Amino acid sequence: KAGVTQTPRYLIKTRGQQVTLSCSPISGHRSVSWYQQTPGQGLQFLFEYFSETQRNKGNFPGRFSGRQFSNSRSEMNVSTLELGDSALYLCASSSRTSTDTQYFGPGTRLTVL
Amino acid sequence: QQQVKQSPQSLIVQKGGISIINCAYENTAFDYFPWYQQFPGKGPALLIAIRPDVSEKKEGRFTISFNKSAKQFSLHIMDSQPGDSATYFCAASILGFNKFYFGSGTKLNVKP
Repeated sequence: KAGVTQTPRYLIKTRGQQVTLSCSPISGHRSVSWYQQTPGQGLQFLFEYFSETQRNKGNFPGRFSGRQFSNSRSEMNVSTLELGDSALYLCASSSRTSTDTQYFGPGTRLTVL
Repeated sequence: QQQVKQSPQSLIVQKGGISIINCAYENTAFDYFPWYQQFPGKGPALLIAIRPDVSEKKEGRFTISFNKSAKQFSLHIMDSQPGDSATYFCAASILGFNKFYFGSGTKLNVKP
């Protein structure tokens, strides 16, 4: 099975712009979660989507949003970018079996200038 | 409030030695505790996980010890190898909710 894929892998934006990141989960996985990873704050949960519905949400401002499509692919959008949004954005998928194992993608490295 | 606290921040171990990483959690509702391994340029990969109904779980050279009363759990890497050099994260969640709280990470360096 192919793993979780994320595109693009690297992205450079300027303050005030918006950005959309994409995640394709493992085939058959219906849950997609997004995390922000920074050296200072570590891995922080953004949100989780299951069957096109946001089921869990972390403590991030409304500038961070996401959606999931019927094929389980997910996108994350950040509007009005700030310097502090520079981070590695990780997507993880799971099949929602009893093990709740999450499989992470390689991430998208976002740099905001 | 940090839900999961991890220590140490970095660890240097000689090849063949034992690496020990500790985590403590606050929320007694947590009932799933995975450990992830992350290499540079890669996403975290699940290493081993435990539920609070057992006190220890072993998979190869990796062992999780769990102390429910102390709200602590630890990862032991036996016979540490240079290939184990990576950043390790503990995490906690409520089973079925897919919302994970991660520790701050431990950068392990195994010297040959």
